[in-house]
Amino acid sequence: AQKITQTQPGMFVQEKEAVTLDCTYDTSDPSYGLFWYKQPSSGEMIFLIYQGSYDQQNATEGRYSLNFQKARKSANLVISASQLGDSAMYFCAMREGRGYSTLTFGKGTMLLVSP
Amino acid sequence: DVKVTQSSRYLVKRTGEKVFLECVQDMDHENMFWYRQDPGLGLRLIYFSYDVKMKEKGDIPEGYSVSREKKERFSLILESASTNQTSMYLCASRPPRGAYTEAFFGQGTRLTVV
Repeated sequence: AQKITQTQPGMFVQEKEAVTLDCTYDTSDPSYGLFWYKQPSSGEMIFLIYQGSYDQQNATEGRYSLNFQKARKSANLVISASQLGDSAMYFCAMREGRGYSTLTFGKGTMLLVSP
Repeated sequence: DVKVTQSSRYLVKRTGEKVFLECVQDMDHENMFWYRQDPGLGLRLIYFSYDVKMKEKGDIPEGYSVSREKKERFSLILESASTNQTSMYLCASRPPRGAYTEAFFGQGTRLTVV
């Protein structure tokens, strides 16, 4: 079974609108962390936001927020007031508590922001 | 700022060649990783290392090996390159587990094997 599932291969949004990118995860470890990365066409991976499994509040970083629903095992990324520069590939990833904590990535969602 | 540097952005090699992809980080991180990225498949872990001279297989190690002789450098080796190894390769590093820490990535190497 996939540990990280991103069901949206592509999303379209108009500039200044909000958009939600879905991510569900699968783990039996009570201690884990969830990450979102952005990858523009240039290829570099840019860290956006982190949510720990024991965090009581949803993480926020500027225009990015993470809608963390632990019981449903979902960690959706919400981008408010989309900008043209938000057009990129977005990856959800998980680090589980055991072992040497490698990051497991989903397949990604391509977001296109139109004027 | 943490910097992870991969030696090449673009690389073209012939089938059967031995290929070295080099990665250097400047933040004294113990953990280093090599991922492969293919369209529709996301990032898949090839190998990782949690200390000098230590290495662990990831999800897709076949056809690859790694070397970590110094803490700051982690090399990915394709012993005999094949066309199905044409891909984007991403190196990453992070401090040891325990506290919240994201992984820091290099700019990626687009390898084409012809």
